Order: sequence, then structure tokens, then C-alpha cells
Amino acid sequence: SQQGEEDPQALSIQEGENATMNCSYKTSINNLQWYRQNSGRGLVHLILIRSNEREKHSGRLRVTLDTSKKSSSLLITASRAADTASYFCAAVSGGSNYKLTFGKGTLLTVNP
Amino acid sequence: ETGVTQSPTHLIKTRGQQVTLRCSSQSGHNTVSWYQQALGQGPQFIFQYYREEENGRGNFPPRFSGLQFPNYSSELNVNALELDDSALYLCASSRDSHGNEQFFGPGTRLTVL
Repeated sequence: SQQGEEDPQALSIQEGENATMNCSYKTSINNLQWYRQNSGRGLVHLILIRSNEREKHSGRLRVTLDTSKKSSSLLITASRAADTASYFCAAVSGGSNYKLTFGKGTLLTVNP
Repeated sequence: ETGVTQSPTHLIKTRGQQVTLRCSSQSGHNTVSWYQQALGQGPQFIFQYYREEENGRGNFPPRFSGLQFPNYSSELNVNALELDDSALYLCASSRDSHGNEQFFGPGTRLTVL
């Protein structure tokens, strides 16, 4: 079953605009991660936020986490055409062995 | 470039056959996870290996099995292939089994006819 669910499923913006993607999950987590995937290839890790953190920044990326609402958001500022990709959140849970549970992703298209 | 490689890139099999997919993890990474990604879906966790032992499994039947070797390579074996096994298979390595950042390979696209 999918733990993370992204919203929206697809997002189309112009270069320079900001893009916001949301993610909801179902159970308690240790951390939540965001990944990017270009054209059905391998995923690239973007950022990890731990369950005791509320906000994290990395370059043009800003991630927030609200454990009370079981939700996270990824903000990409000043988007570029090269940001066009699918974005996935992955909820990480587990006791003795941790696993990533991915959502269905948000397809972001940045138009030049 | 993550340093994780997978082979082959593409593979076509027929229903009922068996397939072995290979992955070479990043040096020093003792944990490897395998995922199945159907078209338009997110990756689904198949299983994880830590120091050559299975360390967690998703909702996949026993005909999905794996091996991890001391030289940071690993295999995913699928027996009695079904049409629904057609997907992109991804391996990902990590420094430990504590749910930290994973480094993904480019994937193997399996088509079952």
C-alpha cells in the first residue's frame, strides 16, 4: 500500500515561478524524504526531514513537516526548465528494519 | 551519478520464465533495497538486504527472491514471471539500514509478454 500520497498529481508552471507539492502519510514515521525522478530513470535524493524537525532548507528547496497532520510539503523556488521531473515523497518507518514507502508522485512541468 | 549500477538496462521475457536482475552498490554501502515501479506509480518496496541477510520484505510473493554478496553486488530473482511483473526495477544502496538517504541505480525495464 502507498503510505505517501502526493498532491497535486500534475503541476505545470512557468520558469521563475514557485512550485509547491504536498504529501500525506498514514502512520508514524522516523523521517520523510523527497526524491526526484527524470523520465522513468533512477530516483535522486533531494532532502530528508526527521520527525522532530518542522522545516528544512537546501538551496532552492524548502520542506516542511507537520506530524500532527501527517503531512509534508516541498517548495521549489525560482523554478527552472531543468526542474521538470516527477517528485516523490517517501515515508520512512520501522523498528528494527526501516523501509521507504513512496507515494504516486507529482509530475512537475516547468515551461521555459 | 550515484555510483549504483544495474544490468541489464532492458529485458524482455515471456510468461512463466525466470529472470535475474543485477545491481552493484556504492562502495561501502552495506544495505541494498529493491523496488518495483509500475508505469505511472511510485516505487513499491520489494525487500532489503543488510550484510547479506534479508532485513525486511514488502508485499511480494516468495517467487521474488534476492541475494547480496560481500563485494557490494546483489541480485533480484523472479520466478514464474507474470504479465503484471512488467515494470521498472530499481535497486538502491545506503550506508546503513536505519532509513537514511538511499542512492538509486538507473533501473532495469522488464517487459513480460
